[in-house]
Amino acid sequence: KNEVEQSPQNLTAQEGEFITINCSYSVGISALHWLQQHPGGGIVSLFMLSSGKKKHGRLIATINIQEKHSSLHITASHPRDSAVYICAVSCTDKLIFGTGTRLQVFP
Amino acid sequence: GAVVSQHPSRVICKSGTSVKIECRSLDFQATTMFWYRQFPKQSLMLMATSNEGSKATYEQGVEKDKFLINHASLTLSTLTVTSAHPEDSSFYICSARSGTSGNEQFFGPGTRLTVL
Repeated sequence: KNEVEQSPQNLTAQEGEFITINCSYSVGISALHWLQQHPGGGIVSLFMLSSGKKKHGRLIATINIQEKHSSLHITASHPRDSAVYICAVSCTDKLIFGTGTRLQVFP
Repeated sequence: GAVVSQHPSRVICKSGTSVKIECRSLDFQATTMFWYRQFPKQSLMLMATSNEGSKATYEQGVEKDKFLINHASLTLSTLTVTSAHPEDSSFYICSARSGTSGNEQFFGPGTRLTVL
């Protein structure tokens, strides 16, 4: 079993739909990260959180430390949101990555 | 702020040659840099952690003589793939962390290496 599990692995949506990606982890962490990787490969850090909720534009990230679970929400999805979304946790000095969720948003 | 660059973005080389990849923090001092490898449709795998001025710490299974890492300054780390083979073809990504950014890592755009 991976230490960081994401679901779903693949997700398709129509433009405008509300999207949720889930992440569960089984290790003690100091922070959880949500990353976005576009087809070209570059990675952008979306959020780093250790408790509660953060919002940036149409993106919202939440974390429940007791349940070891985080969610990434995208409101009013757009084709440009199509990417791979990766959950990663900070454990000691390193990041442990989930396998990613491939999102495709169609117009 | 917090921009990390990598050079080159793409490289094709012949088997047996060595390839150097540079990772630079453009607007902050990176006390720690990380090198990752990513195979198609897989997640990132940490190869090594380098701290400025000291030897890199390699993950289990990563050959330090094969993947030479140098972190000679607070803004530059290099990864040299020595005597590259086709199985070394992959996407290599670096990230950097400053002494003040806590757990946050800033990722470079990656380098796609193809060994013929």
